[in-house]
Amino acid sequence: AQSVTQPDIHITVSEGASLELRCNYSYGATPYLFWYVQSPGQGLQLLLKYFSGDTLVQGIKGFEAEFKRSQSSFNLRKPSVHWSDAAEYFCAVGLPADYKLSFGAGTTVTVRA
Amino acid sequence: NAGVMQNPRHLVRRRGQEARLRCSPMKGHSHVYWYRQLPEEGLKFMVYLQKENIIDESGMPKERFSAEFPKEGPSILRIQQVVRGDSAAYFCASSAPGQGNEKLFFGSGTQLSVL
Repeated sequence: AQSVTQPDIHITVSEGASLELRCNYSYGATPYLFWYVQSPGQGLQLLLKYFSGDTLVQGIKGFEAEFKRSQSSFNLRKPSVHWSDAAEYFCAVGLPADYKLSFGAGTTVTVRA
Repeated sequence: NAGVMQNPRHLVRRRGQEARLRCSPMKGHSHVYWYRQLPEEGLKFMVYLQKENIIDESGMPKERFSAEFPKEGPSILRIQQVVRGDSAAYFCASSAPGQGNEKLFFGSGTQLSVL
């Protein structure tokens, strides 16, 4: 069965510190991989995506993610968080050339001053 | 250059009432998708529609739920005789023809609360 797991429900990080959010997936083939962010009162915004090629993907707002096939992981990172990064983050996967996405349960990030 | 518009943002219904959620896709997009997010769960696919056609409703509950995307106007997700378990955030996404999950744009969602 296809599944997406975000092991961390809630992470608190100090402003200026680094951030890493974990995502593991179980799919029959290498899927398309995505990270979305949802700020309070906002819709889901795409941070970055991986289809193929270079396994280190750069996204918006200073985020990057690394695809590791051997670990079935697609972890999101940011070297130095800002207070505005406080939000909920969703990892999502989908089959190539499909229209559905499967989402993880999300990780809520709190940024303390 | 509006994005995907959903309304209302919040909807409160009593058990047994009907809920209607609306979604206007981005300009130029003719494909609409509805997702539901139950508390502490990820978004789950419900239905995929194109203008006047339901393409895939495999994620829709068999009873009380229906969706439409008429030739004119927004897509509507309709829940009849709501129950407490329908309380959730309902998200709509849209895409242009030929672009599936690789280029979805999401709305802000409708939070449905059933009393």
